[in-house]
Amino acid sequence: QVQLVESGGGVVQPGRSLRLSCVGSGFTLTSYAMHWVRQAPGKGLEWVGIIWFDGSNTFYGDSVKGRFTISRDNSKNTLYLQMNSLRVEDTAVYYCARQQKANRAPFESWGQGTLVTVSS
Amino acid sequence: SYVLTQPPSVSVAPGQTARITCEGDNIGSKSVHWYQQKPGQAPVLVIFYDSDRPSGIPERISGSNSGNTAALTISRVEAGDEADYFCQVWDHNTDHAIFGGGTKLTVL
Repeated sequence: QVQLVESGGGVVQPGRSLRLSCVGSGFTLTSYAMHWVRQAPGKGLEWVGIIWFDGSNTFYGDSVKGRFTISRDNSKNTLYLQMNSLRVEDTAVYYCARQQKANRAPFESWGQGTLVTVSS
Repeated sequence: SYVLTQPPSVSVAPGQTARITCEGDNIGSKSVHWYQQKPGQAPVLVIFYDSDRPSGIPERISGSNSGNTAALTISRVEAGDEADYFCQVWDHNTDHAIFGGGTKLTVL
């Protein structure tokens, strides 16, 4: 069965970096577009970015563009989110999500999330 | 950028029908997806492409989309339906995912 497990969250000071991981099981990451979505405490969902199924492209939301980078290691079936120049407003639970295979498709599977707290 | 507006809260008595709306400019021309999120848990897809249900989602949960309003309808509401519900579309101009602000469903 499909499973996504995030890790790497924690407390970090503003301006520092952190890398999140998302290990997939029950399927091959390279067959799906994969996303990161975040949720600030008590707030709604915010899309962070996407890596295409073939890894040829990545796109990001305006609030993280230029600071965050999505990548993956196919041999480990693992998705990454490199977060640089972190800000207090980046504090959130970060979810990785698999997109269904179709145009304008929904997020059909989600990890349990990992909490990132940016604080001095 | 494209904006989706949801009511912050909806309350309904058990056994009644809850309707949660999601408003956006000509949203009827887009495909709308709905997610249910219970406290401390990840979101779960409950409706996709306006009105399709993933396997395991009960038939009493349905969706519609027309004009400037999409809606999630939950019939015969149960205590276990109490959760936050989020609508989501893809912005055709940017190809970014857009979420509504979420609606907290309270079962009285």
